[in-house]
Amino acid sequence: KAGVTQTPRYLIKTRGQQVTLSCSPISGHRSVSWYQQTPGQGLQFLFEYFSETQRNKGNFPGRFSGRQFSNSRSEMNVSTLELGDSALYLCASRRDFSGANVLTFGAGSRLTVL
Amino acid sequence: AQTVTQSQPEMSVQEAETVTLSCTYDTSESDYYLFWYKQPPSRQMILVIRQEAYKQQNATENRFSVNFQKAAKSFSLKISDSQLGDAAMYFCAPSGGTSYGKLTFGQGTILTVHP
Repeated sequence: KAGVTQTPRYLIKTRGQQVTLSCSPISGHRSVSWYQQTPGQGLQFLFEYFSETQRNKGNFPGRFSGRQFSNSRSEMNVSTLELGDSALYLCASRRDFSGANVLTFGAGSRLTVL
Repeated sequence: AQTVTQSQPEMSVQEAETVTLSCTYDTSESDYYLFWYKQPPSRQMILVIRQEAYKQQNATENRFSVNFQKAAKSFSLKISDSQLGDAAMYFCAPSGGTSYGKLTFGQGTILTVHP
């Protein structure tokens, strides 16, 4: 059974650009969450999608957005990149929206903003 | 809102010995779950153990067990017979209420295992 797949694994952008990250959940998983990990702020929740709808949102500016497709794949977009957006972006999936389900994480996308 | 405190930024243990990582949390949720995740240097976050808050019995997974004190909002992780592969960053994280997919992570504890 394939795990959570994130692409690209590494990318470098410059300030002001935008970036799109992709996440393919485990087959059968319908919920996808995104997290940002930085040395200073640690792991912070960005948002969660279930059945193509955003169900929860963290405390991030509107430059951070996401969406989920009918096949449960998800993308997140960051517009007008800032140096502080440099981070490891982790995607996690779970089967459905119940509390008993465990999040399974992908390997992450490492974004560097120059 | 939930907050998590992992008071030990770094811990070390000898191979085959036992180590306990501490975690305290605060939550307004009445129904929630607690998790320990590990993140080895390769960066893939892996679930170590899960505890349902409504269960009084402490969860156990092979060499990993927790000491869950609900009233004290304490959730420590005990690793027995430590192995070199246990070296990683360990995160404590509650989730609950309407936000089961939203984990609130602590700052993490770096565990070093000495041969």
